[in-house]
Amino acid sequence: SQQGEEDPQALSIQEGENATMNCSYKTSINNLQWYRQNSGRGLVHLILIRSNEREKHSGRLRVTLDTSKKSSSLLITASRAADTASYFCATDDFGNEKLTFGTGTRLTIIP
Amino acid sequence: SAVISQKPSRDICQRGTSLTIQCQVDSQVTMMFWYRQQPGQSLTLIATANQGSEATYESGFVIDKFPISRPNLTFSTLTVSNMSPEDSSIYLCSAGLYTEAFFGQGTRLTVV
Repeated sequence: SQQGEEDPQALSIQEGENATMNCSYKTSINNLQWYRQNSGRGLVHLILIRSNEREKHSGRLRVTLDTSKKSSSLLITASRAADTASYFCATDDFGNEKLTFGTGTRLTIIP
Repeated sequence: SAVISQKPSRDICQRGTSLTIQCQVDSQVTMMFWYRQQPGQSLTLIATANQGSEATYESGFVIDKFPISRPNLTFSTLTVSNMSPEDSSIYLCSAGLYTEAFFGQGTRLTVV
């Protein structure tokens, strides 16, 4: 299986704290993306980082990518109750739009 | 961006029956994807659907069990055939636009 691994599997933090999730993958990639899923619904795209980038920011999100270690991290700063969701990393398959998803991190923000 | 309407949003079905899930995209897309998400798990790709050709299935998924139609560039259906309780999952359709994928809201299927 090409599926990546994410850790932790579950994370609970107090509102206002920062949350960090990690993703490891197995093959060379073109880009890596992070998605959020609320309560088993559809996924929402958060951020994309290309293989030649090391860090990217979007609002309260910061993503890093280390292609030598085949790993990425997602940092959510100043967490809010609305950030409670499952977060998945996804890597692409060169030449097409097929995505392979990681195992996911279930994040709970405690008000 | 793209908006994907997926229906039904949920259904409870008897074993041995079939359910067809529909996805409508508000713009033309080359490829659409169907995923299965078993309870508490990640997404697993079932198949890739191109307009005008047969769908390409991933290992472990077969056309007889999950027939797919893709009649045009904005619409696709997935049928879950001869259902058993093991088919209880969330099924999601997706359309890619290279830099990001857009998802329907999912169909939560329970087979009893």
